Order: sequence, then structure tokens, then C-alpha cells
Amino acid sequence: SQTIHQWPATLVQPVGSPLSLECTVEGTSNPNLYWYRQAAGRGLQLLFYSVGIGQISSEVPQNLSASRPQDRQFILSSKKLLLSDSGFYLCAWSSESGNTIYFGEGSWLTVV
Amino acid sequence: AQKVTQAQTEISVVEKEDVTLDCVYETRDTTYYLFWYKQPPSGELVFLIRRNSFDEQNEISGRYSWNFQKSTSSFNFTITASQVVDSAVYFCALIRGGSNYKLTFGKGTLLTVNP
Repeated sequence: SQTIHQWPATLVQPVGSPLSLECTVEGTSNPNLYWYRQAAGRGLQLLFYSVGIGQISSEVPQNLSASRPQDRQFILSSKKLLLSDSGFYLCAWSSESGNTIYFGEGSWLTVV
Repeated sequence: AQKVTQAQTEISVVEKEDVTLDCVYETRDTTYYLFWYKQPPSGELVFLIRRNSFDEQNEISGRYSWNFQKSTSSFNFTITASQVVDSAVYFCALIRGGSNYKLTFGKGTLLTVNP
């Protein structure tokens, strides 16, 4: 069966510091991969999606970037965090031809 | 553009009561998929159900049931005999057919089941 993991689960970072959140999927090949953010107030926003290695699409211009160095690995990064980057970040995947998106456990980021 | 509306921000019930969570959607696409996800306090989004736009059959899974009506653009979710473990935020979402990229979420309904 397919599994998705992301880490770290919790992160407290000072303003201006870098960020790296990592996500891996097991049990499938050529997945579509996604990063979502959930800010206070519960709204879920798609940040990035990827349909293949090195292929990244950004939904919202921001202080963050994403990379996909391997088929089942998706990384969310920032060179300098802002206070507004605080939130709950969720990695997700779907099969190449599937229409169901499955989410990871999420990572809580607090920028102080 | 797609839109999903969950008008109920918060619902509070007593254990064993039935509760219905409302979801209304807007889309111009003829092919689309509707979803419900559960987000317990731990934060993980748990997939509950997917329904495609060509299948209006209602579905029941244990204490959960879903009522999809294209005529009213609604996809409501009912929990029968609610339990404390059902307490969570529930999200309704929509994705366009052929576009496996962007889930449009409603703002969620916080369900609290009190003992």
C-alpha cells in the first residue's frame, strides 16, 4: 500500500532563517505531488504541485520554493522565513492517473 | 472557477445524535469530483470519500452517508449516532476532471460531539 511521510512534524524557526520540509511517498511510481498550507482560520491553499522530477508549478507567488529531486521526494524550502510563513504545511500525493489526493501528517511551522 | 461553500462554521451535538454537514459547490465543468476529508486535532487530513459527477448514487459506509444532488449542487455528509471520536474539522472539496492538480476546498465545519 502507499504511504506518505513528511518531516519534521514541528518546527520553530527565527525570522530570516532557512526552511526545508521534506516529503516522501512509498508504494507508487510517478505520483503527482503537492504542497498545501493551512493558515489560521482553516483555509487550505495549494502552494506547489509537481507531475514529475524537476517539474514544479507554483500556484501562489511567495517566499517559498519547491523541488522534486527524485520521483517520490518533494521538498519545500525558503531561504529567509517571514513571520507570515507560519502555518500548517501538508504534503500530498495522487497517482499519475488518479483523481484522489492523499495527505501526509503535516508539519507545524512557527516563525518567531 | 470552482467554489465550495460550507455554510456551517461550527456544529455542536451530543453523542448519539445524527448530524448533517452541508456542502454546496459551483463549477462549470461537466466532469468533476467531490470529496470529503476529516481533520482531527492531530492535523492530518483523512480522505473519507470521492464521488464523480456522473454518479449520483448515495453512499453509506457504516455510520457515514453521503447525499449527492446535482440539481442543487450539493454533497451533504451525515453522521448517524455520532461519537466523541467524530469530533474534527470536516472539509468538502472539488477537483476538475482531467486536472489532477488543484483541490478547491470549502472552509471546513468544526464538529464537536459532546459526551
